[in-house]
Amino acid sequence: DTGVSQDPRHKITKRGQNVTFRCDPISEHNRLYWYRQTLGQGPEFLTYFQNEAQLEKSRLLSDRFSAERPKGSFSTLEIQRTEQGDSAMYLCASSLEVAYGYTFGSGTRLTVV
Amino acid sequence: GQNIDQPTEMTATEGAIVQINCTYQTSGFNGLFWYQQHAGEAPTFLSYNVLDGLEEKGRFSSFLSRSKGYSYLLLKELQMKDSASYLCAVRDRTGSGGYQKVTFGTGTKLQVIP
Repeated sequence: DTGVSQDPRHKITKRGQNVTFRCDPISEHNRLYWYRQTLGQGPEFLTYFQNEAQLEKSRLLSDRFSAERPKGSFSTLEIQRTEQGDSAMYLCASSLEVAYGYTFGSGTRLTVV
Repeated sequence: GQNIDQPTEMTATEGAIVQINCTYQTSGFNGLFWYQQHAGEAPTFLSYNVLDGLEEKGRFSSFLSRSKGYSYLLLKELQMKDSASYLCAVRDRTGSGGYQKVTFGTGTKLQVIP
């Protein structure tokens, strides 16, 4: 297994456009998480899936954000009508058991211009 | 909610020992993690403590005191490659849907100098 994969690595978009990111977790991991990280800050929780079910979503997440995990495998995170404040690193992580910690992907760096 | 505190920056000398502290306040504590994050890269898991005491893993050790809301990460025989941010993260059992939320601190940027 090659770990958690995220695509694309970098995305530059104009304000108001929609963007979609993809995450492929480690195959045997049933838990998948999306976090957002800005410079000098720790990762901030966005949403959590157990298998295909989205069980938790941060109150900080506006209606412009939506995430899916069809069939409990890969996940997508979509941001509609992007704003400059959405510029950040979007990190995906997966885990099997919490005690082993999360395995993070390399992230997608979004720049909204 | 949760409140996690760590020093913003630390500097230490190659070969030395450094201790990075983390204090937290949470209503439903259920575990503490330490992650290492090199600049421009994703965090990587270092350790997990749920019971009081010291967990040792090679050059890295992590300590937890639940009654004091306190943890530290101890790095021995520092190497230049240990220069990175170290993130303390706390798991809270008060989440909904079976999810126990993990909240990260802002991280401690460690610089190792020759």
